[in-house]
This record gives sequence, C-alpha cells and structure tokens, in this order.
Amino acid sequence: DIVMTQGALPNPVPSGESVSITCRSSKSLLYSDGKTYLNWYLQRPGQSPQLLIYWMSTRASGVSDRFSGSGSGTDFTLKISGVEAEDVGVYYCQQGLEFPLTFGSGTKLEIK
Amino acid sequence: EVQLVESGGGLVQPGRSLKLSCLASGFTFSNYGMNWIRQAPGKGLEWVASISSSSSYIYYADTVKGRFTISRDNAKNTLYLQMTSLRSEDTALYYCARIGTIAAFFDYWGQGVMVTVSS
Repeated sequence: DIVMTQGALPNPVPSGESVSITCRSSKSLLYSDGKTYLNWYLQRPGQSPQLLIYWMSTRASGVSDRFSGSGSGTDFTLKISGVEAEDVGVYYCQQGLEFPLTFGSGTKLEIK
Repeated sequence: EVQLVESGGGLVQPGRSLKLSCLASGFTFSNYGMNWIRQAPGKGLEWVASISSSSSYIYYADTVKGRFTISRDNAKNTLYLQMTSLRSEDTALYYCARIGTIAAFFDYWGQGVMVTVSS
C-alpha cells in the first residue's frame, strides 16, 4: 500500500500569512500519462471534506486561487497564500494512483 | 446540484450487521464510480470501498474485505454498503463520495452517517 505522510503546521498561524503543507508518498505518484495522482482536501470543523486540488496542481471548481499545489513524484506541497478565517480545518492529501486509495493523516490549520 | 444523502446508520452490537444507503441526485448516477470512506471519532479519513459505474470493478480496504459488500442500483440512484461481523473498530462516520470520471479523486461527499458498534 502507498503510505502518505503529512507534516504539521506551527499553529496558530497569523491571519494573512502564507503557509505550506507538506505531504510525502512512499511511491511515485507520477503515472505514464504524465499526470501526478495526488489530491488535496479540506475538512472544515463539523463538515464533510471538500476537494481542493487534483493531479497535484489543478484547482477544483470554485476553489480560491489562494490555494496552489506543487511537487515532484513523491514530495508535495499545498500552499495557502494569505490564510483567512475560513481556511481553518484539517487538510488531507490522498493518492489516486492505485487501490487501496490512501490518505495522509491530516494537517490541522489554526489561525490567530 | 449534486446531492449525496446517506442513511441506515445507528448503534449495533459487535458481530451484528448493518446496511447503509446513499441516495444520489443532481447528476447521472450511472456514469460515475462511487465510494465509501469512513472517519473514526477524532481520527482521519479511511477509504473503505469503491465500485465502478456499472459494478464491473469493486475494491475494498483490507480492514473490511470479506465483511463488507459495496453495491449499487443505478435504477434507484442508490449506493449501498452491507456491513457484517461488525467490530468496535468499525465505529465511524461513513461518507458516501463520488469519484471523478477523469481521475481517482472524490469530488462530492455526503454529510455522513454514524455507525456505532458497541455492546
């Protein structure tokens, strides 16, 4: 199984600051079609998760351009430019390369 | 508007069975793969099972293989999860989620249904 490992944030983060959330996979998520099958989600308190980014760097419909994804085949970053109160929650990375589909353990973002 | 509404959760004793349902609306259900994903209280997300649009392909997490069965009825726009031999570690909020047609990401999620396994 592909293991997804996420980093922590130095909470709480001052409003307006930019933050980067890291995720690492135990296997390259770069497929032969040239796409990297890494997705990001945000779960706000008391809500269901919502898709933010797929294919490592493609924003989902309606997602603010303050969110951007980047990385290599095994190391990934979700950057939030200028955090706002509505960004509070837990961020998860997930690999979509192969079954079993696996998630990282989550990175909590708190805002000061 | 895409909507996924789960039902069928509740309190069940260890070793017993429970069947979850997810009613889909706002999209052509028969065109999409569907999934169950769960979240134990205070914990992260765990993918449970996937089923392709025509039920041709089905996958399970090792933690539920042999005990859970995912199925769908495209005529009723409904996804199911039959859970048997339930254990305390199956206690979780169970989400129904649609998988994107172009890649294995979950683009829509239900609100979740709680399953508590306890004597």
